[in-house]
Amino acid sequence: GENVEQHPSTLSVQEGDSAVIKCTYSDSASNYFPWYKQELGKGPQLIIDIRSNVGEKKDQRIAVTLNKTAKHFSLHITETQPEDSAVYFCAASAGGSYIPTFGRGTSLIVHP
Amino acid sequence: GAVVSQHPSWVICKSGTSVKIECRSLDFQATTMFWYRQFPKQSLMLMATSNEGSKATYEQGVEKDKFLINHASLTLSTLTVTSAHPEDSSFYICSAGPGLRRGNEQFFGPGTRLTVL
Repeated sequence: GENVEQHPSTLSVQEGDSAVIKCTYSDSASNYFPWYKQELGKGPQLIIDIRSNVGEKKDQRIAVTLNKTAKHFSLHITETQPEDSAVYFCAASAGGSYIPTFGRGTSLIVHP
Repeated sequence: GAVVSQHPSWVICKSGTSVKIECRSLDFQATTMFWYRQFPKQSLMLMATSNEGSKATYEQGVEKDKFLINHASLTLSTLTVTSAHPEDSSFYICSAGPGLRRGNEQFFGPGTRLTVL
């Protein structure tokens, strides 16, 4: 089955800095890679996703890159703000399966 | 669009009682819904996949007689924790896949905090 590794587990940055979270996956059949943001006591929210036919996708301050050859994908947040503080999960799923395999999560702390 | 609701948002019950959690897709039809469990500072653990009109598929190690799942319509799935015990205390989250709308995408509900005394 799929195995998703996520690093780092904790990331502390100053407001305005950039943050990068990296994930690797094992199943070459995976073709959908979503990122979720989870605030304390709430459910995960989809913030950006990328499919295997694309190498990069950007949405305002958030971008995701995918390297299918190396089987890794990354989340980039620029100009971080305190409200970006949350736990971020990467995930990977394959083909017609709606079932993603999640990484262990990264706790992002943005200091004002 | 793609809003998923859960009810209740939190519940406290006595050991031995049963608790029902509802998951609704508000603006789309969900052919498939998923139930997750999350312990503090941990990732989401998939418990089961429910398809409308058929029996749920449980992940290994999840007791199907303890966690009853019903997916009676394209917009509603329920999880019933039967004879709850303190070790069942957790954060339960559902998600729904739009199916016909877009492949692979899942949208999560806000979660239900269950505390068993």
